[in-house]
Amino acid sequence: DAGVIQSPRHEVTEMGQEVTLRCKPISGHDYLFWYRQTMMRGLELLIYFNNNVPIDDSGMPEDRFSAKMPNASFSTLKIQPSEPRDSAVYFCASSFSGGSDTEAFFGQGTRLTVV
Amino acid sequence: TQLLEQSPQFLSIQEGENLTVYCNSSSVFSSLQWYRQEPGEGPVLLVTVVTGGEVKKLKRLTFQFGDARKDSSLHITAAQPGDTGLYLCAGASGGSYIPTFGRGTSLIVHP
Repeated sequence: DAGVIQSPRHEVTEMGQEVTLRCKPISGHDYLFWYRQTMMRGLELLIYFNNNVPIDDSGMPEDRFSAKMPNASFSTLKIQPSEPRDSAVYFCASSFSGGSDTEAFFGQGTRLTVV
Repeated sequence: TQLLEQSPQFLSIQEGENLTVYCNSSSVFSSLQWYRQEPGEGPVLLVTVVTGGEVKKLKRLTFQFGDARKDSSLHITAAQPGDTGLYLCAGASGGSYIPTFGRGTSLIVHP
């Protein structure tokens, strides 16, 4: 398997524009996580899915953020409208619910810059 | 929210030195993991500890889980430049694996 695949790797957009980040998890994994990483706040969990169903979105900062998982092999994180404070690296990770020694496999991240 | 506090936040040392980084919480975890993240990449798992007092070794890295399963330490012996990176601890509790991460320790090892 190629691992978790995220696109794009880099995104620069103007304030107010819509941004869509994409993720393909590892085949067979039943959990998918979206994280945001900044120097100030570290790696924050935004939302996670189990079997394509959103379970906990309490980490989503505002209504401007939304995430979907239409099938087991694809998820999106959308920001509309984007703001400069949304600039961060966004990671997607997937895991298999195998108990306490499960690990999360991360993509390479999308570096978002909102100007 | 279960908070994981990592210390120190930054560490800059010379090759060959030993170091220890810490991960502390007021919450009990069913498992605790250490990840390493290199620039431009996502975190990669190093080790998982699940039993209070457990010690695991990975070459020059020694990981320990506190007896009360609230804290952990990572000790690196004879650090090398290849050890440079961000070390993150992540805790999970209950029956589901939903990792919550600390802010990490950024380590630089100078040749």
